[in-house]
Amino acid sequence: GQQLNQSPQSMFIQEGEDVSMNCTSSSIFNTWLWYKQEPGEGPVLLIALYKAGELTSNGRLTAQFGITRKDSFLNISASIPSDVGIYFCAGPGYNNNDMRFGAGTRLTVKP
Amino acid sequence: ETGVTQTPRHLVMGMTNKKSLKCEQHLGHNAMYWYKQSAKKPLELMFVYNFKEQTENNSVPSRFSPECPNSSHLFLHLHTLQPEDSALYLCASSPSSSTDTQYFGPGTRLTVL
Repeated sequence: GQQLNQSPQSMFIQEGEDVSMNCTSSSIFNTWLWYKQEPGEGPVLLIALYKAGELTSNGRLTAQFGITRKDSFLNISASIPSDVGIYFCAGPGYNNNDMRFGAGTRLTVKP
Repeated sequence: ETGVTQTPRHLVMGMTNKKSLKCEQHLGHNAMYWYKQSAKKPLELMFVYNFKEQTENNSVPSRFSPECPNSSHLFLHLHTLQPEDSALYLCASSPSSSTDTQYFGPGTRLTVL
């Protein structure tokens, strides 16, 4: 089915380091979304990708829609303490009513 | 502030209690969603409402009962819950159920004793 596998599950990095995480599926997705969830809050949309090969930036964040349409990557450059949170990839399922979410990558940034 | 509010933010209830969670969106959207978020598990879609009509029920036990009186408000009525129902319950909305971008509320942290 259209399950999303995120890796790594968690990351512990030093402030200033770059971060890379990815999301893969055994099925093709037509859209990839990346959300961030901070402690005590709901997920907030960071980047939306709609075309294979698309590379989109939002400040220090860059995400790419994989050519095979079965994966996506999110990179964060020069991390800062406020980058802490859980990053989720997501995409609509077969009927576009069912948004599938990965299990998330938990990011910890040490000052 | 995403334009989606949820109350209460925290709720502790016994297994025999009846309580309700409320969600309100100020975005003019037509679709609203309930999700359950448990520790270390992906978000689980529970219910979808589109133009006040329930369009999806993901095999959710009947002890969870949704209500959507209008496009701006969504409730989740809780009755005789189990301890394993303890989780963060998130509400979301989108312009329509076929639109990708969903906007989430802050969630209600539910603990069932």
